[in-house]
Amino acid sequence: AQSVTQLGSHVSVSEGALVLLRCNYSSSVPPYLFWYVQYPNQGLQLLLKYTSAATLVKGINGFEAEFKKSETSFHLTKPSAHMSDAAEYFCAVSAYSGGGADGLTFGKGTHLIIQP
Amino acid sequence: GAVVSQHPSRVICKSGTSVKIECRSLDFQATTMFWYRQFPKKSLMLMATSNEGSKATYEQGVEKDKFLINHASLTLSTLTVTSAHPEDSSFYICSARDPRGGPNEQFFGPGTRLTVL
Repeated sequence: AQSVTQLGSHVSVSEGALVLLRCNYSSSVPPYLFWYVQYPNQGLQLLLKYTSAATLVKGINGFEAEFKKSETSFHLTKPSAHMSDAAEYFCAVSAYSGGGADGLTFGKGTHLIIQP
Repeated sequence: GAVVSQHPSRVICKSGTSVKIECRSLDFQATTMFWYRQFPKKSLMLMATSNEGSKATYEQGVEKDKFLINHASLTLSTLTVTSAHPEDSSFYICSARDPRGGPNEQFFGPGTRLTVL
């Protein structure tokens, strides 16, 4: 079984400041990890994913995340926040059992607020 | 990238009626699709895994007779909420796994807002 904990239901940063959204996971098998962004009344857009290759993963819109096995973390960062980054962000985990596909287990989400 | 559509985007129905939501993969074939439910200001909860040509696999606590899933083709899965009640009001999102993508990479539809009066 897997689980995801996102620390901070709301994060507020100033435009141009560093964005840091925290995600810790629990998984009994090597995990696949994902970050998604959701704008109001829309579906989810994949920002980036970790699938056991490089531990530092670069995604779209300047976001990146680092997989740290020892800390069971997969925090999302962006060096300089933009107003358009304001949205809901979800961290998700899955375990690939080989030959099939598993549904994702999501964290509760972090609402990112960008202050002008 | 892979595109997944949902129809309708919004639906309002009376209590006791049934509502069907369609999920389509537009530019790829998806043997596996997933249905999620999102409550207001809450995370997404996996409801069921829809497998083409076989019965859906439901997560614990999800009523299979309430939420009927049919995956009749490689590009279409449907979710029917039977005898809907106000507590079924929610945002329903489907996703599909693109075999051409990375491991377990899923593409999400835009969601369907269901309001039961």
